[in-house]
Amino acid sequence: QVQLQQSGPGLVKPSETLSLTCTVSGGSVSSGSFYWSWIRQSPGKGLEWIGYIYYSGIYYNENTSYNPSLKSRVIMSVDTSKNQFSLELSSVTEADTAMYFCARGIGHYEGSRYYSAEYFQHWGQGTLVTVSS
Amino acid sequence: EILLTQSPATLSLSPGERATLSCRASQSISSYLAWYQQKPGQAPRLLIYDASKRATGIPARFSGSGSGTDFTLTISSLEPEDFAVYYCQQRSNWLSFGGGTKVEIK
Repeated sequence: QVQLQQSGPGLVKPSETLSLTCTVSGGSVSSGSFYWSWIRQSPGKGLEWIGYIYYSGIYYNENTSYNPSLKSRVIMSVDTSKNQFSLELSSVTEADTAMYFCARGIGHYEGSRYYSAEYFQHWGQGTLVTVSS
Repeated sequence: EILLTQSPATLSLSPGERATLSCRASQSISSYLAWYQQKPGQAPRLLIYDASKRATGIPARFSGSGSGTDFTLTISSLEPEDFAVYYCQQRSNWLSFGGGTKVEIK
């Protein structure tokens, strides 16, 4: 069973960079083809998709997609040697205070065809990040 | 940007009753819609994807329907553990979530 374990600081100062890591167990980030994503949730804005990194061990392909509203501040990456993926969000403000989740999209064979999509079946436990001086 | 509007905001029902939740997209998203359940202090749980396909391990009392702009999540007979907040999510154009429907005990 795939499990995602998040790590990173719960307090970040304004203008600094928020960095979170998600460690995958029970599976490999480099096997199959999955969308590895970050999603946040705040009382004022509900669930907000931050972005994803698509990594395919089947088709040897990798690409990223970020929410246009956050794109200029976001970097996501995968470290296959550590079986992790990460989020960096720069120049944070109090508006970035939220619960941050990592998540993995679905991926499975339907007959002989491999199906993967940006629907999130596996989630991390969540990290409450507060931006405050 | 595709906006997802969920209604009602709150649904007050008793165990055993049928729940019908709505999600409307601001433009056509074909069948690229999922439903999630979230309980306090937990991450969302995927229930339905591609509008009508149940995710692994999801009970048959949960069903989804719709295409284009109008979608429905139906819980045929509410169990005590079904009282939670439900969100829809689209993947047709970037990704976005609806504002949620809270299903509470009447």
